[in-house]
Amino acid sequence: DAGITQSPRHKVTETGTPVTLRCHQTENHRYMYWYRQDPGHGLRLIHYSYGVKDTDKGEVSDGYSVSRSKTEDFLLTLESATSSQTSVYFCASSDREEQYFGPGTRLTVT
Amino acid sequence: AQTVTQSQPEMSVQEAETVTLSCTYDTSENNYYLFWYKQPPSRQMILVIRQEAYKQQNATENRFSVNFQKAAKSFSLKISDSQLGDTAMYFCAFMNGRAQGGSEKLVFGKGTKLTVNP
Repeated sequence: DAGITQSPRHKVTETGTPVTLRCHQTENHRYMYWYRQDPGHGLRLIHYSYGVKDTDKGEVSDGYSVSRSKTEDFLLTLESATSSQTSVYFCASSDREEQYFGPGTRLTVT
Repeated sequence: AQTVTQSQPEMSVQEAETVTLSCTYDTSENNYYLFWYKQPPSRQMILVIRQEAYKQQNATENRFSVNFQKAAKSFSLKISDSQLGDTAMYFCAFMNGRAQGGSEKLVFGKGTKLTVNP
């Protein structure tokens, strides 16, 4: 399995506060992704990266920003958290077709 | 835009029996990949099996096999000799192919919750 870690694993925050989730991979994969998982929706792509400092929007990008300053790290930021952003967030990385997922971060916005 | 549909929100099967999970997709592309991911209660996403659209032969991984019907845009997963550890959410996913290699985005179905009963 690819070495992908996410931090924190759980977080509770208040509406209006900024939140940053971190994804770290040790496989030197070029591509990295952020998904959110909600009941009844499966996983939906938020943002993705195709290289250092190269990022693009996914299906549900509103309210989120990302940064990738190093190959191994991909950060997801919620500038001002809202209750609708309560979800489980997954990071993934890949070099070709197969994506390898991190363990997920459960975020609760109260 | 590609879409993936899993029409069975929940299924159950007796231990040692066989179960088939359905998945259909919509695309106008000819080069693509299909995947089944398993998500047990631990929440970890685990790749079960993959299929390249250009391959006519159905993929097989131990007790897991697929029935890939390209013309019908159908990609079902068969689990043989079901085990208690197969209890999980199963997600079907689609990815466009890219000629020079590299990776595209995954589009997921909403999932099927499978319960294996003893």
